[in-house]
Amino acid sequence: AQKVTQAQTEISVVEKEDVTLDCVYETRDTTYYLFWYKQPPSGELVFLIRRNSFDEQNEISGRYSWNFQKSTSSFNFTITASQVVDSAVYFCALSEAGANSKLTFGKGITLSVRP
Amino acid sequence: DAGVTQSPTHLIKTRGQQVTLRCSPKSGHDTVSWYQQALGQGPQFIFQYYEEEERQRGNFPDRFSGHQFPNYSSELNVNALLLGDSALYLCASSWRTRGDTDTQYFGPGTRLTVL
Repeated sequence: AQKVTQAQTEISVVEKEDVTLDCVYETRDTTYYLFWYKQPPSGELVFLIRRNSFDEQNEISGRYSWNFQKSTSSFNFTITASQVVDSAVYFCALSEAGANSKLTFGKGITLSVRP
Repeated sequence: DAGVTQSPTHLIKTRGQQVTLRCSPKSGHDTVSWYQQALGQGPQFIFQYYEEEERQRGNFPDRFSGHQFPNYSSELNVNALLLGDSALYLCASSWRTRGDTDTQYFGPGTRLTVL
């Protein structure tokens, strides 16, 4: 069975601080996919990034960066110089390989960025 | 390029009633997945439709059923509503690619309240 754990429940930072959101996953599959989604107060889940299990290259996109480590089953997400607009709930999700497999989500991390 | 749309936005029902939620996928997508998100939790997979058939199903009772139409739009039906069915219902669409997992894009959701 697949499982995603987001141990942090709520994080509060002051604008311009860096913040890292942790994600630990469990799966027996050798090929799988990891995702981060953002859910602002409006409720819609916004796709941020997707990673394949065979691609451990970390990525930086603007103020966002991701650290994928298979050895520790972690897929952490960092926001550099946070902004008030980053305030949202962030979900890590896992999917097995194969056409359109279901997403297994963590419970989410509520990020509050104060001005 | 229209994204995933859902209707209605909000819905209030009483216990025992039946409800139908609707979803139109993103242009070019042929697969629709439904998720239930209880307050403070991550989304839980209900089922997925492709080629007008249910392809995968999560751990939900038969009271939850669905349908996909030839134009790829989908409906989620819930019979004999319980108080515990109160949640945000999210629809996600994707393009089915054999041997790979496509990214799922979510709609704004339907907030269902059961009194």
